[in-house]
Amino acid sequence: SQQGEEDPQALSIQEGENATMNCSYKTSINNLQWYRQNSGRGLVHLILIRSNEREKHSGRLRVTLDTSKKSSSLLITASRAADTASYFCATTGTASKLTFGTGTRLQVTL
Amino acid sequence: NAGVTQTPKFQVLKTGQSMTLQCAQDMNHNSMYWYRQDPGMGLRLIYYSASEGTTDKGEVPNGYNVSRLNKREFSLRLESAAPSQTSVYFCASSEQSSGNTIYFGEGSWLTVV
Repeated sequence: SQQGEEDPQALSIQEGENATMNCSYKTSINNLQWYRQNSGRGLVHLILIRSNEREKHSGRLRVTLDTSKKSSSLLITASRAADTASYFCATTGTASKLTFGTGTRLQVTL
Repeated sequence: NAGVTQTPKFQVLKTGQSMTLQCAQDMNHNSMYWYRQDPGMGLRLIYYSASEGTTDKGEVPNGYNVSRLNKREFSLRLESAAPSQTSVYFCASSEQSSGNTIYFGEGSWLTVV
């Protein structure tokens, strides 16, 4: 069963706008990761945030984690057409296995 | 440095046929994984190998077998393919199995008719 659930399922924005995706999970985690998947390709790791961290930045990416609400958000600032992809959150819990959510499909139009 | 390489890229099978998906990584990672991805769903873990010589079932192991041939290679076998196994299969690896970053192959598109 999926541990994480992303919201929204699909998001369409214009280039230059910010994109925010949310992930909710069910059980306690050790860390949470975000991955990107371009159409027809494998997943690529974006960022990892540990359970004792609240916010992390990497370039145009900002990830927050609220363990009390069991949720995380991924913000992509100043989006580009090349950001068009599906984005997945993945959690690691006590079983140390990475469990993926169902993904958010982001479309960035010119 | 090729990362994770999996073959074949595309395969069509008839129901009941068998086949093996091959996977190799050149990053000296200890852990390797096989996932399947179906439309509208995330990735589901089929089998994983935390280290050379060990394999364990994931979320959806039925109908599959795996072999960790050596540290580099981890193969997935479908003994008697079924239409429900039509999917995209991803091999992946990580340094350790405990929540490290996972590196994925490019995927294998399998259709069972």
